[in-house]
Amino acid sequence: AQSVTQLGSHVSVSEGALVLLRCNYSSSVPPYLFWYVQYPNQGLQLLLKYTTGATLVKGINGFEAEFKKSETSFHLTKPSAHMSDAAEYFCAVSDRQHHPSGSRLTFGEGTQLTVNP
Amino acid sequence: GAVVSQHPSRVICKSGTSVKIECRSLDFQATTMFWYRQFPKQSLMLMATSNEGSKATYEQGVEKDKFLINHASLTLSTLTVTSAHPEDSSFYICSASGVGGQGGTDTQYFGPGTRLTVL
Repeated sequence: AQSVTQLGSHVSVSEGALVLLRCNYSSSVPPYLFWYVQYPNQGLQLLLKYTTGATLVKGINGFEAEFKKSETSFHLTKPSAHMSDAAEYFCAVSDRQHHPSGSRLTFGEGTQLTVNP
Repeated sequence: GAVVSQHPSRVICKSGTSVKIECRSLDFQATTMFWYRQFPKQSLMLMATSNEGSKATYEQGVEKDKFLINHASLTLSTLTVTSAHPEDSSFYICSASGVGGQGGTDTQYFGPGTRLTVL
């Protein structure tokens, strides 16, 4: 079974400050991990993912995340926040089941990021 | 690549009517499609998983006779909410994974969602 915990349902930063959104996971298999962003009244957009290989993953819009197995974490960071980064962010872990059932995602509860001018 | 569309984006219907929502993968073959429901300020709740040409697998507590899912082709899945009631009002989001998408079968790509309001 998989689970995801996002620490902090709301995070507020100043424009230009570091963004850190925390995600811890539990997985019975080596995890595939994802970060998605959701803007109001829209679907989810993939920011980045970790499957295998390099533990520091770079995504779109300047975001990156580091997979730390010993800490069961996959925190999302961005060096300098922009006003357009304000959105809801979801961390997710895949159960890695393949066709025909398909891989299923377990989502965290989400973190609302506010960027102050 | 890996674009998923949903139609309609917003629908308002009367109680007792049925509503169909379409989910299309525009530039890849979606071997698996997922349907989620999202309540305000909450995370996504998986309703069902469908594979092209086979019956959908519903999550526990989701009524299969109320939420009919069809995945007839590699680019189209539909969710029909039958005899809709106000408590079915929600934001419904589909996702797709498959061959030809940037992330392959391990990555889900999401549609923009459909806001359903039942009066």
